[in-house]
Amino acid sequence: DVKVTQSSRYLVKRTGEKVFLECVQDMDHENMFWYRQDPGLGLRLIYFSYDVKMKEKGDIPEGYSVSREKKERFSLILESASTNQTSMYLCASSPTDYYNSPLHFGNGTRLTVT
Amino acid sequence: AQSVTQLGSHVSVSEGALVLLRCNYSSSVPPYLFWYVQYPNQGLQLLLKYTTGATLVKGINGFEAEFKKSETSFHLTKPSAHMSDAAEYFCAVSGGSTLGRLYFGRGTQLTVWP
Repeated sequence: DVKVTQSSRYLVKRTGEKVFLECVQDMDHENMFWYRQDPGLGLRLIYFSYDVKMKEKGDIPEGYSVSREKKERFSLILESASTNQTSMYLCASSPTDYYNSPLHFGNGTRLTVT
Repeated sequence: AQSVTQLGSHVSVSEGALVLLRCNYSSSVPPYLFWYVQYPNQGLQLLLKYTTGATLVKGINGFEAEFKKSETSFHLTKPSAHMSDAAEYFCAVSGGSTLGRLYFGRGTQLTVWP
């Protein structure tokens, strides 16, 4: 089974802090994604990556950046955390033939910014 | 452009009753369609998918969905609800220029009453 591991289930950070959310997948998937989940808004794509050192903006990239130095690891960075970034963050991965093996999700990181 | 509309943010049924969760999509290319389920404090799990071929798709836990191109719909059904089906359900569409990316609906929270 594909395993997508997010390093923290719960995080509490202060406004202005730099925050790192880490995600590791163990199935050699090419594609990795960061989504944000808020009640009533569903999942919104922040950033995604098709390969090492490649990144693409999603629908809501403002205030975020990402890093993919190794194929299995995709990090989401909040450069200066703000209270409106309090949310559930979901990492996902998929292989190139995603239609046969679509997104596999981690269990999420619930971030609270105070 | 791809998008998904889930009709009804909350659906309540009695145990043993029919479950019907509605999903309509918009896609500029032939779509790949997915239903995911999210149990409390967990990530999303794939329930079923439609790529090509048979329009009635069977998934896990007794769920199925029918792709109707003329109605641009992909509604999820289960003949008899079980208490363990209580969860949030997300419909998603893929396709277009960004391979591997899924566009999610806002989700439907299913409550099952004893």
